[in-house]
This record gives sequence, C-alpha cells and structure tokens, in this order.
Amino acid sequence: RKEVEQDPGPFNVPEGATVAFNCTYSNSASQSFFWYRQDCRKEPKLLMSVYSSGNEDGRFTAQLNRASQYISLLIRDSKLSDSATYLCVVNVYGNEKLTFGTGTRLTIIP
Amino acid sequence: GAVVSQHPSWVICKSGTSVKIECRSLDFQATTMFWYRQFPKQSLMLMATSNEGSKATYEQGVEKDKFLINHASLTLSTLTVTSAHPEDSSFYICSAGDRGRGQPQHFGDGTRLSIL
Repeated sequence: RKEVEQDPGPFNVPEGATVAFNCTYSNSASQSFFWYRQDCRKEPKLLMSVYSSGNEDGRFTAQLNRASQYISLLIRDSKLSDSATYLCVVNVYGNEKLTFGTGTRLTIIP
Repeated sequence: GAVVSQHPSWVICKSGTSVKIECRSLDFQATTMFWYRQFPKQSLMLMATSNEGSKATYEQGVEKDKFLINHASLTLSTLTVTSAHPEDSSFYICSAGDRGRGQPQHFGDGTRLSIL
C-alpha cells in the first residue's frame, strides 16, 4: 500500500464550481500534512498546511481526519487559474522529509 | 522571490555524459537538502537526503555511485548523474528546509534532463 494515496483524476470542473479532493495516508504516526500545487513542468509550491482543527485560506479549505487517516482540500468558486495538479504531502517522521502523493489533476473549464 | 536556486533548468546531452546539477539556498543556511526525481504524470520520488558535511542518505533502489551528491557548504548541494543514459531522462528537483519560514521545504525550479 502506498504511504500517501490520491485519486489521480483528471477532474474537469466548470468555472465557479466547488471541487473537493481527498487523500489517505497509511502511517497513523504521521506528523504533519500539506497541500502543494504543481503546474505543468514547474516545481511544487506550498498551497497550505493542514491542521487538525481545519483551516481556511480564501477559497481553499483543508481538513484533517486523523481517525480515518485522510486529508481533504475544498476549492470554492473555482477559477481558471486553479487548473493544476494538487499534491497531498505528508511528513511522516517529524523531520524535514516529505512523502508525496501522486497528485490530482484539476482542469477548470470556462 | 526564489529562495532556492537550481541550475541548469534544462540539459540535453548525449548518452554517457555526466551531468552536474546545482541547488543553492539563497538567503538561509540549509544543513539538509533533498533531491527528487519526477517522471511524466508521476509524483515526486525522493532520491536522497543531502547532509552538509557528511554522506548523503539514499532511498532504496537509488544507486549512490550513479547519483553522486555533494553538500560541501550550508548553501550548496550538487547532484551529478554519472554516465547518464536515456532512462535517466527526467525532471530533477531539489528542496531545502527552513523551518523559520513556516513551511517545510522550499523547492528549486527543477532541472529537465534529456539524454539522447
């Protein structure tokens, strides 16, 4: 079983819609969680950290469910510029080492 | 602005050539840097952890004699792909951690390596 699993998509969503991604992780001792965004042929960029209490940044909401070992990302009022691959990232060991999911590809359609 | 600089951005070379990629932290000291490889439509796979002043730690299945890592200073790590072959063609990305900035790692722009 992969340490971090995501639905690869693609998700094709009309502009203005709400879209949600889930991600599951296998190690219950995982320390911290993040969503990164990666555009085609570019490096990943941190979108947001994910906290147990849930956190929101503008149109983006991230949630963590430790009991079920999953992380979610919700994007409201999607924009064309949201088209990208969204990577679920887990810090398993509490050091700086990160484990990446395969990513979920999102395309926003005009 | 960029806090991790990676060079070169794109390399095309013949099979058998050795290629060196540099990763620099621009305004912070990085005792640890990471090297990843990403094949098309796949996720980032950690190749090795580069430790300043000591040997790199390689992930299982990564040949340390093929992918030479040197981390001689707190701001520079290099990855050398020795005797590169077409199957080594990939997107190589480095990252460096700077906990003081509140995020786990900063990524370089990546190096697209194409071996003919």
